[in-house]
Amino acid sequence: NAGVTQTPKFRVLKTGQSMTLLCAQDMNHEYMYWYRQDPGMGLRLIHYSVGEGTTAKGEVPDGYNVSRLKKQNFLLGLESAAPSQTSVYFCASRGLTSTDTQYFGPGTRLTVL
Amino acid sequence: AQSVTQLDSQVPVFEEAPVELRCNYSSSVSVYLFWYVQYPNQGLQLLLKYLSGSTLVKGINGFEAEFNKSQTSFHLRKPSVHISDTAEYFCAVSNNAGNMLTFGGGTRLMVKP
Repeated sequence: NAGVTQTPKFRVLKTGQSMTLLCAQDMNHEYMYWYRQDPGMGLRLIHYSVGEGTTAKGEVPDGYNVSRLKKQNFLLGLESAAPSQTSVYFCASRGLTSTDTQYFGPGTRLTVL
Repeated sequence: AQSVTQLDSQVPVFEEAPVELRCNYSSSVSVYLFWYVQYPNQGLQLLLKYLSGSTLVKGINGFEAEFNKSQTSFHLRKPSVHISDTAEYFCAVSNNAGNMLTFGGGTRLMVKP
């Protein structure tokens, strides 16, 4: 049982390049989330999904797209990376009940030059 | 809308001393409250959560927190810290639907020998 895994762990992009971050969970969780973490600002929600085939915007969705084609995977895409998207990205998943805990992945450190 | 304020960005403390990390929240509805810990270069791990019932919540690693509805606070305490408690601590709130967590900016606990 690996929990929540994220690929890649580190990435450096040039402005304007695109990339996809992959999140996978093996806990059969319905809910999945993408956050970004910036110094002094805690974690801010980018997008989330309440089930396969569904996505919704969070607090800071601009410049990102997501897809949930399979229940266990949640992809975060950057179509045209900007230096403001330099951050650490965390994926999380949660079961169906509102009192369930969110479990976090180890993070992806992205630098956009 | 919900918000979380962690009043101290850094808390230095000597080993074996007590510590309190402060968290205040605002919300127009009933909430669930959480404390997460992030060790260097790792994801977030749940310390404890308040859902309902007793206002004193005990978590892992000897931490506890007290929910105070009148003061809209959820302060985290430990009577005697260890070097290994050095980490960043995040307070978070969700509404009863539990779809989304809103995080505070984090408090870096630095335990000195």
